[in-house]
Amino acid sequence: NAGVTQTPKFRVLKTGQSMTLLCAQDMNHEYMYWYRQDPGMGLRLIHYSVGEGTTAKGEVPDGYNVSRLKKQNFLLGLESAAPSQTSVYFCASSYPALAGGLNEQFFGPGTRLTVL
Amino acid sequence: LAKTTQPISMDSYEGQEVNITCSHNNIATNDYITWYQQFPSQGPRFIIQGYKTKVTNEVASLFIPADRKSSTLSLPRVSLSDTAVYYCLVDDSNTNAGKSTFGDGTTLTVKP
Repeated sequence: NAGVTQTPKFRVLKTGQSMTLLCAQDMNHEYMYWYRQDPGMGLRLIHYSVGEGTTAKGEVPDGYNVSRLKKQNFLLGLESAAPSQTSVYFCASSYPALAGGLNEQFFGPGTRLTVL
Repeated sequence: LAKTTQPISMDSYEGQEVNITCSHNNIATNDYITWYQQFPSQGPRFIIQGYKTKVTNEVASLFIPADRKSSTLSLPRVSLSDTAVYYCLVDDSNTNAGKSTFGDGTTLTVKP
């Protein structure tokens, strides 16, 4: 199992450019998440999905869009990149925890994005 | 969403036991408490999860008092490789699916 993979690993954009980050998981997880992590800070939830075809806003959704057309993939889009979006982006996935069950998020290696 | 408060940083020496406490005063009935470890340039990794009392696994113990307003992660006999950022997370995946909030974490530095 590859677990959670993210593409690309690094990217440099100019202000106003667009791009899509791809997250893929091979664990048949229902839930998927996108976080951003700024230097020296914790993770902040951008968007999440509780199943194929569904998405929802997290803590910091502005400037981002997402899609979950297939259960194993979760895409994060930046329509018009801004320097404030320079960050490391982490994708994660998990099973929904049954009552009393374990809810463990599995994280990808991250995408380091710089917007000039 | 239950917010969490942790110390920003802690120092320890190899072989010592380290206890990191997290405060979560407005934890909800269905919330679980989860701790993650993050090394530089890597995604966080699950350490341990609990609901109440004490949970122990091969790497750590988690102590949760009866009122559940705080929790303590205990790392026995730390080594240099335990230097990392530790996050306390309070969430309820059953009724608030996906609404996980990570705080800024505690940076643990283990010295020789």
